[in-house]
Amino acid sequence: EAGVVQSPRYKIIEKKQPVAFWCNPISGHNTLYWYLQNLGQGPELLIRYENEEAVDDSQLPKDRFSAERLKGVDSTLKIQPAELGDSAVYLCASSWGAGGYQETQYFGPGTRLLVL
Amino acid sequence: KQEVTQIPAALSVPEGENLVLNCSFTDSAIYNLQWFRQDPGKGLTSLLLIQSSQREQTSGRLNASLDKSSGRSTLYIAASQPGDSATYLCAVNAQGGKLIFGQGTELSVKP
Repeated sequence: EAGVVQSPRYKIIEKKQPVAFWCNPISGHNTLYWYLQNLGQGPELLIRYENEEAVDDSQLPKDRFSAERLKGVDSTLKIQPAELGDSAVYLCASSWGAGGYQETQYFGPGTRLLVL
Repeated sequence: KQEVTQIPAALSVPEGENLVLNCSFTDSAIYNLQWFRQDPGKGLTSLLLIQSSQREQTSGRLNASLDKSSGRSTLYIAASQPGDSATYLCAVNAQGGKLIFGQGTELSVKP
């Protein structure tokens, strides 16, 4: 069974440029998560989708970040314009249900973003 | 606000040693607590999940305990091997799917 797929794996851009990350969750997983991981820190949730609906986007900086999951399967996270402080690893995860007592999340390899 | 802390930040041990990683959290109202492993340049791999009603979980050489009343969890690794070298992350599921992570413990097991 294929795991969570993310692309690109690495991205280098200049500040003020736009950038987009793509995630394809494990087949059949209804819930999709985007996390931000700064160097030496644990991941922090940016947004959580249940099917097509964003049920928790309280940590998403909406002035420059946007996300979509149009058909309830794959998802795109966009930054426009990128700032130097956005350099980090962007992780996508998925789970079958809504994250209950017994449920774990499965993580992709992440996209490493460097903003110059 | 839930906060998760992991001690130590880094740990180096010789091969064969038993070791304990610590995790503490501030709010005992959790769904579960999970331990993940992260290898350099890779995503996270789930190791153990302890439901809020459980006290411990075991998988092979790994044993994780949970004490909600004191806000603590430990990950015990028996007979450590060089292949165990990685960063270990503790996370609490505090809101039905929202994981709050500690900053991780970077483990190095030397042959």
